[in-house]
Amino acid sequence: SQQGEEDPQALSIQEGENATMNCSYKTSINNLQWYRQNSGRGLVHLILIRSNEREKHSGRLRVTLDTSKKSSSLLITASRAADTASYFCATEGASNTGKLIFGQGTTLQVKP
Amino acid sequence: GAGVSQSPRYKVAKRGQDVALRCDPISGHVSLFWYQQALGQGPEFLTYFQNEAQLDKSGLPSDRFFAERPEGSVSTLKIQRTQQEDSAVYLCASRGERGGFLNNEQFFGPGTRLTVL
Repeated sequence: SQQGEEDPQALSIQEGENATMNCSYKTSINNLQWYRQNSGRGLVHLILIRSNEREKHSGRLRVTLDTSKKSSSLLITASRAADTASYFCATEGASNTGKLIFGQGTTLQVKP
Repeated sequence: GAGVSQSPRYKVAKRGQDVALRCDPISGHVSLFWYQQALGQGPEFLTYFQNEAQLDKSGLPSDRFFAERPEGSVSTLKIQRTQQEDSAVYLCASRGERGGFLNNEQFFGPGTRLTVL
């Protein structure tokens, strides 16, 4: 069973706008990761935030983590049509074995 | 190759047939994971290897599912007597070490789409 809940399930925006996706989880974590999946392709790692971090940036991506609320958000700024994909959060538990528990994902459509 | 490869990319099986899905991880990567992704869902963990040792198989749905990695590199996921509910994309991922510590980032293959008729 999946641990993560993501919202919204689907998001449609215009190019240039910002996109925000949220993720909630249930148990203690070592880290939380965000992945992107283009239609029919494998997952690509975007960014990782550790349990002792609150915010992290990578290019146009900004991730926040609130361990007290067991939630995270992914912000994509100045979106591009190429950002159209499904985005998944995934948590790695405190045991740090590498086993990832994924959310159900947010499908993002960026209209040119 | 530079990335994780999986074969076949697509597999159609009749209900009751056995299938074998192959994963070639990134060379030298210690850890290998299998995930199952149903249509419209996120991936779900199946099993995990560290080198040739299968350390966690808690996600395998039934005893019809079997995975091996005999030499600590290539892995095979075998599904016996396939059922329609086994239809999904099967993803393989690997991760290596950095500075003697396991890197948290997993590198995923393109997946094998299994359709059971």
